[in-house]
This record gives sequence, structure tokens and C-alpha cells, in this order.
Amino acid sequence: GQQVMQIPQYQHVQEGEDFTTYCNSSTTLSNIQWYKQRPGGHPVFLIQLVKSGEVKKQKRLTFQFGEAKKNSSLHITATQTTDVGTYFCAGPATGANNLFFGTGTRLTVIP
Amino acid sequence: NAGVTQTPKFQVLKTGQSMTLQCAQDMNHEYMSWYRQDPGMGLRLIHYSVGAGITDQGEVPNGYNVSRSTTEDFPLRLLSAAPSQTSVYFCASSYGRGAGNTIYFGEGSWLTVV
Repeated sequence: GQQVMQIPQYQHVQEGEDFTTYCNSSTTLSNIQWYKQRPGGHPVFLIQLVKSGEVKKQKRLTFQFGEAKKNSSLHITATQTTDVGTYFCAGPATGANNLFFGTGTRLTVIP
Repeated sequence: NAGVTQTPKFQVLKTGQSMTLQCAQDMNHEYMSWYRQDPGMGLRLIHYSVGAGITDQGEVPNGYNVSRSTTEDFPLRLLSAAPSQTSVYFCASSYGRGAGNTIYFGEGSWLTVV
């Protein structure tokens, strides 16, 4: 069945270091979305990528969609304690009308 | 603007009991869904609805029922609670029916089955 895997599962960084999480799908995706979930909170939409090779930036966050539309990455430059949380990618489920979420990457930022 | 509202926020059930998690959205969204979140498993889709009167199964539907009698409400029923259903449950909604639409999540319901 369809799988969306994220690596790493956990990441601890010193404040100011960079962070990257990778999302890999077993199938080609028409689009990919990224969500952030703070500890004890609910997932919140960050961005959607649609085009092959697309790159979008939100301040210190850079999102990329692979050329084959089967992988994506989120890179955070100079992490801050406010970046703490779990980052999820999500893509359309094959043949279905819903999103399939990745396993998530939990980021811890050490002050 | 309340967005997606879930109740209760916390619940403890005994094995075999039934209960309903309530979900309401005030954004006139067509699409609503229920996810469960377990450690290391991410978010898994239980059931979803693309409009009033229409529901469908997601990835992990067993042990749960849903109905969609109005656009605003999408309750999730646990028929006979089991310890394996201990989880955090999120209700979500989006404007369109397609998977390319932004999903708005409720704040979650923490359920423990003992």
C-alpha cells in the first residue's frame, strides 16, 4: 500500500543549528503539504507544493518538492526554540479523496 | 471564529463502553475527517466525509462509526471501546473535496481506555 516515510524520526539540535527533514513517498504525488504540530497541540498547515522541483520559502523555512514528485524536504536555517515540534508531510492518497500523512519528524531545539 | 471544535478534550473509558466524540466546524467546509495519532505512527485516517450524507472509510476504520447528517457536524462513535483505541483523536475539515485543500484540525481529544 501507499507509504509516506519521513526521516529522521527524531532530531535534537543546538539553537542556531540548521535542521532538515525528508519525506519520501512510494507513489508519485500530485501535491504535498507540510504541517507543524507543537507539543500538546494540533497540526497546523504550513505550505503546499504542487509543481515538480518547486521551492518555497517562509522566512527561515525552505520547502522543496522533488523533480519526480515523490519526495520533499523542509529545511530550517538557524533553528530557534520556537521551532520545536513535530513536522509532518502529507500527500493525496492514491485513488482516494483524502490526505496520507507521513510519520513525522520530532524536532527538539536545545537552548 | 471557532474553526473546528472537538469535545470532550479528555476522556477515560472502561473496556466495552461506548462513547461519541463530537466535532463541529463553522467554516462551511464540505470535507471532514477523523484521525488518530499514536506515538511513532503519525496521523492515521479513520473515516472521512466529502459532504452531508456521505461517509467513507479511511486507513483504520474498525471499531468506529461516523455519520454526517449536517455540513457542520461529524461525530465519531466508539462502539465497544478497547485498550487499543487509547489515542489522541483529531477532527479536521477542509473547504473542498479534493486532497489538495488545506486541512484545519481541531485541538484534539485525549482518550484512554482502561
